Amino acid sequence: DTGVSQDPRHKITKRGQNVTFRCDPISEHNRLYWYRQTLGQGPEFLTYFQNEAQLEKSRLLSDRFSAERPKGSFSTLEIQRTEQGDSAMYLCASSPPWAGEETQYFGPGTRLLVL
Amino acid sequence: RKEVEQDPGPFNVPEGATVAFNCTYSNSASQSFFWYRQDCRKEPKLLMSVYSSGNEDGRFTAQLNRASQYISLLIRDSKLSDSATYLCVVTSNAGKSTFGDGTTLTVKP
Repeated sequence: DTGVSQDPRHKITKRGQNVTFRCDPISEHNRLYWYRQTLGQGPEFLTYFQNEAQLEKSRLLSDRFSAERPKGSFSTLEIQRTEQGDSAMYLCASSPPWAGEETQYFGPGTRLLVL
Repeated sequence: RKEVEQDPGPFNVPEGATVAFNCTYSNSASQSFFWYRQDCRKEPKLLMSVYSSGNEDGRFTAQLNRASQYISLLIRDSKLSDSATYLCVVTSNAGKSTFGDGTTLTVKP
């Protein structure tokens, strides 16, 4: 399977704990995105990497959320001191480097439940 | 007001019907536009890009009106398999993508 993969697929944690999610993009895709999605809403943009550079991030990522892509391949998203409101699906997507191609290919997501 | 707004739905239509979805966006500097499809509890998948000249892919037609900041999706001859949530997506030149909340379509026999 050469699609975007995410790990874990499901995570249950207690309020106040830290969690980390991993995303492996499609190889050769230099752009990587993180989103959060709750029921009945569209995916909410969190951050965007081009190679290892984090080019855009929502205000949400200035607090308990942080994302890294140290070698320009896989990425991690960490949530510190989780809150019940963090319960959501966390989606990762990647897109290729060639000009004019902006299709984002999504992974299956990590479903987080904070108790 | 949200940056990307879609028809609230849900749309319930019979097989064979034609259905149209609308989407408006607020950022006039937006660069790229897309429709994605999302099945229940699955990840979004690209349906089609949207161009000013309009584009068609089989039973699906997408239109973009930059002056009115409006995007549309037309589905002709609806199939049961078209039942899904359709997400309008607007991307800025900085690479940030903003999704609408989606419109749910149910096609019934």
